[in-house]
Amino acid sequence: EDKVVQSPLSLVVHEGDTVTLNCSYEVTNFRSLLWYKQEKKAPTFLFMLTSSGIEKKSGRLSSILDKKELFSILNITATQTGDSAIYLCAPRHRDDKIIFGKGTRLHILP
Amino acid sequence: DAGVIQSPRHEVTEMGQEVTLRCKPISGHNSLFWYRQTMMRGLELLIYFNNNVPIDDSGMPEDRFSAKMPNASFSTLKIQPSEPRDSAVYFCASSLRGGGGELFFGEGSRLTVL
Repeated sequence: EDKVVQSPLSLVVHEGDTVTLNCSYEVTNFRSLLWYKQEKKAPTFLFMLTSSGIEKKSGRLSSILDKKELFSILNITATQTGDSAIYLCAPRHRDDKIIFGKGTRLHILP
Repeated sequence: DAGVIQSPRHEVTEMGQEVTLRCKPISGHNSLFWYRQTMMRGLELLIYFNNNVPIDDSGMPEDRFSAKMPNASFSTLKIQPSEPRDSAVYFCASSLRGGGGELFFGEGSRLTVL
């Protein structure tokens, strides 16, 4: 059975701190891993990772995938209050099935 | 370009009533997903379609739930009869199969069953 585990489940930090969010997965026929940010409404896309060891960056956010260890991390540097959200990771199968972890609820204190 | 469109945005109904949620995917997308989100269980995959064909419905909770995709531009998720434990936000999402992989979500339908 497919499994996606995100840690920590919740995290409270101060503005300016750096955070690392973790995602481990066990899926059959893995194709890629997606990261999403969810504020009050629908999840919005952050990254798609397909290859091990290649870091994807977007501003203060970056992510990397380890296909051998079945693991991905999402880093946010110099956090801001606008980064407060639920961060979701989702492995995608080769047949396009996409399942989500329970997410990490991040709260940034001003 | 319009995104994924869901209706209704909010639905309040009484236990035992039939509920129908609707979704119009992004034009040209050929994969469509239905998810349910609750605080306790997170974002659960209910069913997904490729080219209008249901591929995996193992996430559908029970026989009270059914989903159809009669054509490439429309899908429904039906609950009959509804129960209070069905209260959740239901998201529809679409993507281009074999493409970039990004999943585009609708705004969600918030269902409350009294």
